[in-house]
Amino acid sequence: KNQVEQSPQSLIILEGKNCTLQCNYTVSPFSNLRWYKQDTGRGPVSLTIMTFSENTKSNGRYTATLDADTKQSSLHITASQLSDSASYICVVSAGPYSNSGYALNFGKGTSLLVTP
Amino acid sequence: DAGVTQSPTHLIKTRGQQVTLRCSPKSGHDTVSWYQQALGQGPQFIFQYYEEEERQRGNFPDRFSGHQFPNYSSELNVNALLLGDSALYLCASSLDWRQGHGYTFGSGTRLTVV
Repeated sequence: KNQVEQSPQSLIILEGKNCTLQCNYTVSPFSNLRWYKQDTGRGPVSLTIMTFSENTKSNGRYTATLDADTKQSSLHITASQLSDSASYICVVSAGPYSNSGYALNFGKGTSLLVTP
Repeated sequence: DAGVTQSPTHLIKTRGQQVTLRCSPKSGHDTVSWYQQALGQGPQFIFQYYEEEERQRGNFPDRFSGHQFPNYSSELNVNALLLGDSALYLCASSLDWRQGHGYTFGSGTRLTVV
């Protein structure tokens, strides 16, 4: 069964500090891995997307890493800001399947709170 | 360039009623997927439409049905609403269901069943 596990479930950090979120997956066949930021009550917004051959990708203060051998990914946030408070969701795409294309497998997310 | 547009943004319905949610995909996208996200959980896949046909379906009962129109917009219909159907319903669009990239999400419709 395809699964995506994220840790920690929630995290509180002080403004300006760095933090790292983890994502472990058992998805086959692996296509790509995305990190999304989701503000409360809003739709997810894509931060990074990595394929099998990529092991790091940055988007401003967000840096994602991927170890396809150990099936682990991390999202590092540098110099956190109050606006970083949100849920961060790891999504692993599996496929292609012959008649159904690709399937997205979602983690439950890490809830991040940045305090002044 | 318009992203994914969902309507309405909020909705309150009574148990047993029926509801229709609407989604307009991002310009240039032809595939629409629907997700249900309960509070504190990750999105759960409902189904995906391409060329006006349902291509994939998640583990949801037949009370959940959908439709895609020639202009690629889509509707999600839920019949005989249950309290447990209360959730944020997300629509995501992409280009070509056979590709695995480029999903864009809408802001969602918050459905409350009372």
